Amino acid sequence: QSALTQPASVSGSPGQSITISCTGTSSDVGSYNLVSWYQEYPLKAPKLMIYEVNKRPSGVSNRFSGSKSGNTASLTISGLQAEDEADYYCCSYAGSSTVIFGGGTKLTVL
Amino acid sequence: QVQLQESGPGLVKPSETLSLTCDVSGYSISSGYYWGWMRQPPGKGLEWIGSMYHSGSTYYNPSRKSRVTISVDTSKNQFSLKLSSVTAADTAVYYCARETISGWYFDHWGQGTLVTVSA
Repeated sequence: QSALTQPASVSGSPGQSITISCTGTSSDVGSYNLVSWYQEYPLKAPKLMIYEVNKRPSGVSNRFSGSKSGNTASLTISGLQAEDEADYYCCSYAGSSTVIFGGGTKLTVL
Repeated sequence: QVQLQESGPGLVKPSETLSLTCDVSGYSISSGYYWGWMRQPPGKGLEWIGSMYHSGSTYYNPSRKSRVTISVDTSKNQFSLKLSSVTAADTAVYYCARETISGWYFDHWGQGTLVTVSA
């Protein structure tokens, strides 16, 4: 298993929209609509932001949305806010009862 | 409210076995869900280690399977991780989390505990 591929960093200004990509293979992202996204602040536990590609848990802002095309999943944050500055990780089911995470993306709000 | 809390030694010697426990409150492990362990080496990304169901069924990351054991103690509402023959590469923050198998995602996480492997 190789980690899903995410850009190391993305940035945007307040109010803008940004998209973080998560590229896998036909054995994981491409085969299942079972991609989740997590937000992680320094020294804090990860927080579930998106599950099953595009579903939001209760309490998560609707500024966060997810999508998938082929072997690539994406997390879009609209109306960027300073509090969105964090690390973001994607995760996908990879078959045989296993999951795999992405390498993480650091979001900087300029 | 579901809460998870990791505990265990913060320092383990090379070649020894790392042992951590995750205490769950606000939900009975026996009621369902899967329960998993992840880790994050300093400055690196998250890695799934393995998960288990309260019945004892376990699923491990193929790259760690030979050294990992996850077990559950339903009477204490806790589950545990053992990682044998550790090296410095096993130094990481270890997280426990509740996992929904229907969607293969982790909806509640512990705060994490740093384990350092050093002589």
